[in-house]
Amino acid sequence: DQQVKQNSPSLSVQEGRISILNCDYTNSMFDYFLWYKKYPAEGPTFLISISSIKDKNEDGRFTVFLNKSAKHLSLHIVPSQPGDSAVYFCAASVLKDMRFGAGTRLTVKP
Amino acid sequence: DSGVTQTPKHLITATGQRVTLRCSPRSGDLSVYWYQQSLDQGLQFLIHYYNGEERAKGNILERFSAQQFPDLHSELNLSSLELGDSALYFCASSVAPITGGMREKLFFGSGTQLSVL
Repeated sequence: DQQVKQNSPSLSVQEGRISILNCDYTNSMFDYFLWYKKYPAEGPTFLISISSIKDKNEDGRFTVFLNKSAKHLSLHIVPSQPGDSAVYFCAASVLKDMRFGAGTRLTVKP
Repeated sequence: DSGVTQTPKHLITATGQRVTLRCSPRSGDLSVYWYQQSLDQGLQFLIHYYNGEERAKGNILERFSAQQFPDLHSELNLSSLELGDSALYFCASSVAPITGGMREKLFFGSGTQLSVL
């Protein structure tokens, strides 16, 4: 039951350019969305979140956009840095339920 | 360092066996969550405990069980293990509000890699 989907398993971008990671969800009841970043041999770490009452949230180089009508959210990283290379998970939650996508592996090339 | 400790880091066992994974949450966090990550799969929510009580269940098999002790550490017990149970098991913790909603961000441990041979 994949309620949260990240259809791109991998993404490669050049240092300094924009990285756009996408996430789709099927459950319209989700009202809070998060992005986590995971480095090898470590657990995921929280990156940024957005409530369903907003359509954009920005934190430094990271911006999350939410399109509720399309049930789609995206994470923009500008400018991308080699240290951003990691697996990015999107997550969606409502009340006691939080679902994660399968992750997108981002590689930022110097 | 997230402050969440999981032991052991690696576990190799045989089919049919039983194992116990342990998690110590961040100091002060009352909520503990267990997730399973299989190859090329997302993080599958298993179960959530808040201050010793089960709060929510996800896709947890009947062969699996968990508990949270008075000192707030948690254990995930996996029994009658099958090859398909091989996965990375994460524990996460958070300071959950009284409602126990999952709106807060989670702090993850580094996981226990379980290999069933």
